[in-house]
Amino acid sequence: QSAMTQPASVSGSPGQSITISCTGTSSDVGTYNPVSWYQQHPGKAPKLIIFDVTKRPSGISDRFSGSMSGNTASLTISGLQAEDEADYYCCSYVGRGSRVFGGGTKLTVL
Amino acid sequence: QVQLVESGGGFINPGGSLRLSCAASGFTFSGYYMSWIRQAPGRGLEWLSYISTTGSYTNYADSVKGRLTISRDNAKNSLYLQFNSLRVDDTAVYYCARDTSTGWHFDSWGQGTLVTVSA
Repeated sequence: QSAMTQPASVSGSPGQSITISCTGTSSDVGTYNPVSWYQQHPGKAPKLIIFDVTKRPSGISDRFSGSMSGNTASLTISGLQAEDEADYYCCSYVGRGSRVFGGGTKLTVL
Repeated sequence: QVQLVESGGGFINPGGSLRLSCAASGFTFSGYYMSWIRQAPGRGLEWLSYISTTGSYTNYADSVKGRLTISRDNAKNSLYLQFNSLRVDDTAVYYCARDTSTGWHFDSWGQGTLVTVSA
């Protein structure tokens, strides 16, 4: 199972919105709805920020939102803040308990 | 609160074996699937394996199948990873994560344990 495709990096200025895409195939993102997104700051463990494509765990800002179209899931961060600078990973269920992560996207807040 | 603490990492020679442990607390461990995920230095996340609540069901990533065994002891609130025939490219931080069967996402992560495979 190949990793899903994410842009290596994205950037935005404080207050702006950015979108990170996660493109898979009909075998993963295109078939299964349970796409999740994780935020990872340097030297820290990843943190769940979106699950089931669009849902936010308790305590996660509503500035984070998820969507999906065809084989591509997307994470949008609105009202960018300096603390949003981190690596972001998508993850899809691919059947029989298996998961596959995207390659990761480094977000830089200018 | 949910706490996951990995242990067992360290330096190991190529071809060697190791057993990682993950101690869980703050939740009903026996009610959750669990997974192991790793991250090589400077690289992305790689899902390795999951185990169902009773241990009856497991699965592994193709990249490690045959070298990895996941297990759990619900009486001890602990998750384990037995890793054999280690290679240099297995060097990574290994995370245990609380898994969910309803959405197949990881809602809590440990801090990770570093495994360095080197001669």
